[in-house]
Amino acid sequence: EVQLVESGGGLVQPGGSLRLSCAASGFTFSSYWMHWVRQAPGKGLVWVSHINSDESKIDYADSVKGRFTVSRDNAKNTLYLQMNSLRAEDTAVYYCARRSGPAFYYNYYCDLWGRGTLVTVSS
Amino acid sequence: DIVMTQSPDSLALSLGERATINCTSSQSVLYSSNNKNYLAWYQQKPGQPPILLIYWASTRESGLPDRFSGSGSGTDFTLTISSLQAEDVAVYYCQQYYSTPYTFGQGTKLEIK
Repeated sequence: EVQLVESGGGLVQPGGSLRLSCAASGFTFSSYWMHWVRQAPGKGLVWVSHINSDESKIDYADSVKGRFTVSRDNAKNTLYLQMNSLRAEDTAVYYCARRSGPAFYYNYYCDLWGRGTLVTVSS
Repeated sequence: DIVMTQSPDSLALSLGERATINCTSSQSVLYSSNNKNYLAWYQQKPGQPPILLIYWASTRESGLPDRFSGSGSGTDFTLTISSLQAEDVAVYYCQQYYSTPYTFGQGTKLEIK
């Protein structure tokens, strides 16, 4: 079955760190760009970051730049999001998503999403 | 950043009625070299992740019922559900993937009257 499963969320204090994982299965993970998108409780979707197949192209939203780091392990079919210096406004469900389209294209839509993992930043 | 604005914020219609959701981008998302609009529509039901409905502004995702359609070009786009079904109750988002950050509209909540 083609799927993405996020894990690693939880309760963390402001200023703390957390690493999210996204396990991919049912497709050739190493061939796809991957994205992180978040959704604060009761709010809309916000794009966080993306990474290409060999980690040579990475972008971040300004709100997380310098604090979050995206990476991947193609041998383990897993995407990561290292989140440091967490703030209350980072509280959200974090989704990983597979980007469709050929690897050499920079911009494309996401066609597969995981169910998300909840990160709560609170003292 | 490209700002995406949807209207209306919410919509309540009767079963079988036509639903129209609009999405406007603050700058064109039409890439002239390939004549494609970098605009997608997603559906999100409560407690579930988003599901891709439409990409390139008007291409239906595989398996999507044909009552869903997308149209528009440049900065103005529309998602239409031709005959509303109970299972269409959800929040709908447009997203531009023309340039990073890939911004979403604020969402339109669709309910049954």
